[in-house]
Amino acid sequence: EAQVTQNPRYLITVTGKKLTVTCSQNMNHEYMSWYRQDPGLGLRQIYYSMNVEVTDKGDVPEGYKVSRKEKRNFPLILESPSPNQTSLYFCASSLGTSGYEQFFGPGTRLTVL
Amino acid sequence: DAKTTQPNSMESNEEEPVHLPCNHSTISGTDYIHWYRQLPSQGPEYVIHGLTSNVNNRMASLAIAEDRKSSTLILHRATLRDAAVYYCILRDVNNTDKLIFGTGTRLQVFP
Repeated sequence: EAQVTQNPRYLITVTGKKLTVTCSQNMNHEYMSWYRQDPGLGLRQIYYSMNVEVTDKGDVPEGYKVSRKEKRNFPLILESPSPNQTSLYFCASSLGTSGYEQFFGPGTRLTVL
Repeated sequence: DAKTTQPNSMESNEEEPVHLPCNHSTISGTDYIHWYRQLPSQGPEYVIHGLTSNVNNRMASLAIAEDRKSSTLILHRATLRDAAVYYCILRDVNNTDKLIFGTGTRLQVFP
């Protein structure tokens, strides 16, 4: 089944404790991205990647890192999480951007205390 | 950056058609118009997309204005399962491959 998977689905952590949210897709997609969703603000793009070893900042990259060492995986790294990073995170992938459907993962709900 | 404007909310009765508008006055010539929807407690899912011509698929129709400054997502017969937030998104005009979500329209469907 074609899908985007994220782990963990739920995470409660404390300020400053490094964490990684994994994202994997099995569709051989070149484009992957991370979004965060906050009440009243809709979805905002954090980082995206056009292909292996190619990443770029989205609209809200501060406090996040990503890597794209393999085509299928695109982990989101929070080196020192803060409470303002409490949010719902979605990973997405697609063949490309303009004319291609994006497939979204189920979401990761992160709480930073 | 190309931005979209959508009404915050709309209502419909079951079995009736729904027209969800989106304004994108700064759209560039090569930007595609995408529509996604997000059901409660789920990630967004693709609905439809188009460039210039009207498009139809099993879920919906997309009507694009001749000047491309606006578009309308049409659900021909709303069902209770169509209750969701609908997002109209464009590719970034600077061709940096950023996708910008609009504010979204929350659609309520009543029995």
